Amino acid sequence: DQQVKQNSPSLSVQEGRISILNCDYTNSMFDYFLWYKKYPAEGPTFLISISSIKDKNEDGRFTVFLNKSAKHLSLHIVPSQPGDSAVYFCAAISTGANNLFFGTGTRLTVIP
Amino acid sequence: DTGVSQDPRHKITKRGQNVTFRCDPISEHNRLYWYRQTLGQGPEFLTYFQNEAQLEKSRLLSDRFSAERPKGSFSTLEIQRTEQGDSAMYLCASSSTSGWDNEQFFGPGTRLTVL
Repeated sequence: DQQVKQNSPSLSVQEGRISILNCDYTNSMFDYFLWYKKYPAEGPTFLISISSIKDKNEDGRFTVFLNKSAKHLSLHIVPSQPGDSAVYFCAAISTGANNLFFGTGTRLTVIP
Repeated sequence: DTGVSQDPRHKITKRGQNVTFRCDPISEHNRLYWYRQTLGQGPEFLTYFQNEAQLEKSRLLSDRFSAERPKGSFSTLEIQRTEQGDSAMYLCASSSTSGWDNEQFFGPGTRLTVL
């Protein structure tokens, strides 16, 4: 049972435009959400996170939005750069739990 | 480099053989996790250590799998009698209780191919 879903396996965006990556979850106990970025032959690298007490968290070009009622979060990258091309994983966890639940990933390609 | 390291990076073995992977976490991290990632999927949790104690195991961790963290530092993951279905990327992560509780730092992974 996939508790975290990323329904878009791939996304292509022109350099300088906005990239929007989406993630849905089903478990209402999740209260902390993370985005990881993964390059080939490397492990996932932490990018940005958000607690369920917030609906937005911003870090430079990266912003994560959380809509708890819809059980939906999104990652916005503005402006997109070719170096952002990677696979992005959404992950979720409950307070007190130890394991992250990951989505299946979205491959972002930023076209120069 | 003070990140999480894993060894080997690649392992090819024949079905039925035993394999062992090693993970060295970030030195001040007392929490260590193993995940498995198959093609087209996100990482899936296998097991969790706090210091040397193995506190949680996923149902994905069959009795052919065993993990240890004997001194609360590095960890090993052993797979006995490997099967072709064990072919995957095995990822190790670590975290600190004093930092963001849920921010796990991942190593580069060990890619296992079972022939």
